[in-house]
Amino acid sequence: AQSVTQLDSHVSVSEGTPVLLRCNYSSSYSPSLFWYVQHPNKGLQLLLKYTSAATLVKGINGFEAEFKKSETSFHLTKPSAHMSDAAEYFCVVSRGNTGGFKTIFGAGTRLFVKA
Amino acid sequence: GAVVSQHPSRVICKSGTSVKIECRSLDFQATTMFWYRQFPKQSLMLMATSNEGSKATYEQGVEKDKFLINHASLTLSTLTVTSAHPEDSSFYICSAKVQDNQPQHFGDGTRLSIL
Repeated sequence: AQSVTQLDSHVSVSEGTPVLLRCNYSSSYSPSLFWYVQHPNKGLQLLLKYTSAATLVKGINGFEAEFKKSETSFHLTKPSAHMSDAAEYFCVVSRGNTGGFKTIFGAGTRLFVKA
Repeated sequence: GAVVSQHPSRVICKSGTSVKIECRSLDFQATTMFWYRQFPKQSLMLMATSNEGSKATYEQGVEKDKFLINHASLTLSTLTVTSAHPEDSSFYICSAKVQDNQPQHFGDGTRLSIL
């Protein structure tokens, strides 16, 4: 079965310090992995995607994520947090199988950024 | 590129009213569109998947007669909440994608409030 687990429901950092949002997945097939950000009362915006090319993926707004197959992880990082990064972040797994294509959303991690 | 427009952004109406929400892909043709419901502080719950010209596939527990989905063209899908009641109040989000292993592009969501 396919699943995605975001290990922290919320993360709090100070402005200017690094951000780490953790995501682990399980999939019987090679998955595509995505990170999305959602600001209040808004839809989801794609930050970055992994689709079996380079394992270190760079996204928008200074975010990046590394696909580690041995650890089944796809953690999202940013060297220095900005106040504007405060939002909800979703890790998403997508893959095809004989039953069709399925997309699974993580439960989300809320990022708080302190001044 | 890959902009999805969702309209209206907010609806407040009386119980018993039917409400239509539109989802348009503005600069690409979407083979598949998705409708989600999001409760406060929770992840997205997939309601249905629709492909242009065919009937929508509803997730288990979603009433197809309550949530009517029409996908008349490659750029437009509509969700109609029929005879809405207060328990239907929620944040509804649509998304669209070009092909299976590509990311979904999300609309900004519709906040539905039934009085």
